Amino acid sequence: SQQGEEDPQALSIQEGENATMNCSYKTSINNLQWYRQNSGRGLVHLILIRSNEREKHSGRLRVTLDTSKKSSSLLITASRAADTASYFCATDLSGTYKYIFGTGTRLKVLA
Amino acid sequence: SQTIHQWPATLVQPVGSPLSLECTVEGTSNPNLYWYRQAAGRGLQLLFYSVGIGQISSEVPQNLSASRPQDRQFILSSKKLLLSDSGFYLCAWRTSGANVLTFGAGSRLTVL
Repeated sequence: SQQGEEDPQALSIQEGENATMNCSYKTSINNLQWYRQNSGRGLVHLILIRSNEREKHSGRLRVTLDTSKKSSSLLITASRAADTASYFCATDLSGTYKYIFGTGTRLKVLA
Repeated sequence: SQTIHQWPATLVQPVGSPLSLECTVEGTSNPNLYWYRQAAGRGLQLLFYSVGIGQISSEVPQNLSASRPQDRQFILSSKKLLLSDSGFYLCAWRTSGANVLTFGAGSRLTVL
């Protein structure tokens, strides 16, 4: 399977704490993206990091990419109850139009 | 503005019945279109993608088929549904040259 793996599968934290989730993938990529999904809804794009970048920030989000280990992490700082959702990484496979998603991390932020 | 519409939002169908889910995109031309399926509490499985009218790539051999009769229309079909076809079906698009997928609201299919 080309699908990536994410860990942890589920994460429960208190409001104000930081949340870190990890993603591993299997093939060469052009870029890696993170998406968010509220329960029963479509996915929303959060941030993209290119294969030649190592770190990227957007607001309270920080993404790292290690292409030698084929892994990425998403850090959400100062979490809020509204951050409760599932988070997925997605990779676009080099030379294709395909986007492969990870298994997702379910984040619950307790108020 | 660019929008994506997906319907129906919810569908309950008996085993052996046909299926048609439709996805249309507005405000763009020649998008790449995608169908994903999400089992309950799981990740997304790429089913089909299309880079142009009549061009369909299938990722998973199964009971489903896809068609793209118009530039901004993508249809997911089945002649005879199986119990295992139950799930949350998501349509997505991206413009050529862009890297971000934009998703529809999803269609929840329950096969009984």
